[in-house]
Amino acid sequence: NAGVTQTPKFRILKIGQSMTLQCTQDMNHNYMYWYRQDPGMGLKLIYYSVGAGITDKGEVPNGYNVSRSTTEDFPLRLELAAPSQTSVYFCASSLRGTNEKLFFGSGTQLSVL
Amino acid sequence: GENVEQHPSTLSVQEGDSAVIKCTYSDSASNYFPWYKQELGKGPQLIIDIRSNVGEKKDQRIAVTLNKTAKHFSLHITETQPEDSAVYFCAARRYNNAGNMLTFGGGTRLMVKP
Repeated sequence: NAGVTQTPKFRILKIGQSMTLQCTQDMNHNYMYWYRQDPGMGLKLIYYSVGAGITDKGEVPNGYNVSRSTTEDFPLRLELAAPSQTSVYFCASSLRGTNEKLFFGSGTQLSVL
Repeated sequence: GENVEQHPSTLSVQEGDSAVIKCTYSDSASNYFPWYKQELGKGPQLIIDIRSNVGEKKDQRIAVTLNKTAKHFSLHITETQPEDSAVYFCAARRYNNAGNMLTFGGGTRLMVKP
């Protein structure tokens, strides 16, 4: 049972480039989330999904897009990378949304130069 | 929206001593308060949580207390061990029927010196 798997672990982008951060979970969880973690700032919610075909914005969605075509996968897309998107990105999942434990992946460290 | 403040940002204790991390929240409607531990190079993991209908919860060496009137909650770790060294995040959540919308504090780096 792998839990939540994120790829890649590290990536360096040039300004204006695009990339997709991959996230997959094998726990059959309905809810999936993308967070970004900036130093000393805690985790900020970017987007979340309550099930396949349903996504919604979190606190800091600008510059990102997501899709949820299957229960297992929840990729995060950066279309035009900017230095402000340099951060550590975490994908997470939970069985249901209310008062549920979040299971986090190990993170993707992204630098935009 | 909800705002969660966490203090201190770093905490250094001697092995065997106790550690206390404090958080305050702004939204009086928040009703769920989890604590996550993040070890180096890993994602956060839930270590304990408390709901607004109880004032204290304990699990072995860790405990969380909640003061709804003052809108603050605290994590207490007793008999600290080197493996307790990590970054700890508090969070608060207001049920909004649209997902697990947690607001996290800024984190506390705990260092336990052997």
